[in-house]
Amino acid sequence: ELKVEQNPLFLSMQEGKNYTIYCNYSTTSDRLYWYRQDPGKSLESLFVLLSNGAVKQEGRLMASLDTKARLSTLHITAAVHDLSATYFCAVDMELGSGYALNFGKGTSLLVTP
Amino acid sequence: SQTIHQWPATLVQPVGSPLSLECTVEGTSNPNLYWYRQAAGRGLQLLFYSVGIGQISSEVPQNLSASRPQDRQFILSSKKLLLSDSGFYLCAWLRTPSYEQYFGPGTRLTVT
Repeated sequence: ELKVEQNPLFLSMQEGKNYTIYCNYSTTSDRLYWYRQDPGKSLESLFVLLSNGAVKQEGRLMASLDTKARLSTLHITAAVHDLSATYFCAVDMELGSGYALNFGKGTSLLVTP
Repeated sequence: SQTIHQWPATLVQPVGSPLSLECTVEGTSNPNLYWYRQAAGRGLQLLFYSVGIGQISSEVPQNLSASRPQDRQFILSSKKLLLSDSGFYLCAWLRTPSYEQYFGPGTRLTVT
């Protein structure tokens, strides 16, 4: 069974600080996805990591993928309040005729002044 | 550009009543479509996926069903809702070649 584990599940951090969210998965997937969800809203795609060693950055967020370690990280630099949200990582789950996403439980991030 | 729509946005239904949620995608043809459910708490669970008209695969046996009557339309149904069906239902489509999934705005269902 494919497992996707995120940690921490809850994170409270001060503005201006740095932190990393970890995503471990149990299958040999070369594709990993990060999504953001604001309260009461749908999921917004942040990053698609398609190969080992992939690194992508957008603003204060940077995601990386190590397929050998089955690990992805989402690094937050100099956090600001607007980054408060729930962050999900997801891995491809092979189905009979295609792929779907298997999600981690999400990391609820709260950035405080 | 592609857009995905879901309706209704919110729904409150009594136990035992029927359900029909609709998802449509614009700007692409023959997309892979998905229904996910997010229960209170947060995890997302794949319910159904479809690779084409009339082709539905179920990942979780339950009292829900799905249909794809048109290329860009995906419907989630139930004949009799249970309390445990409450949740946030999200439809998604698959963009290739990145294999990125894009989600609709969701339907929040409360079964009372």
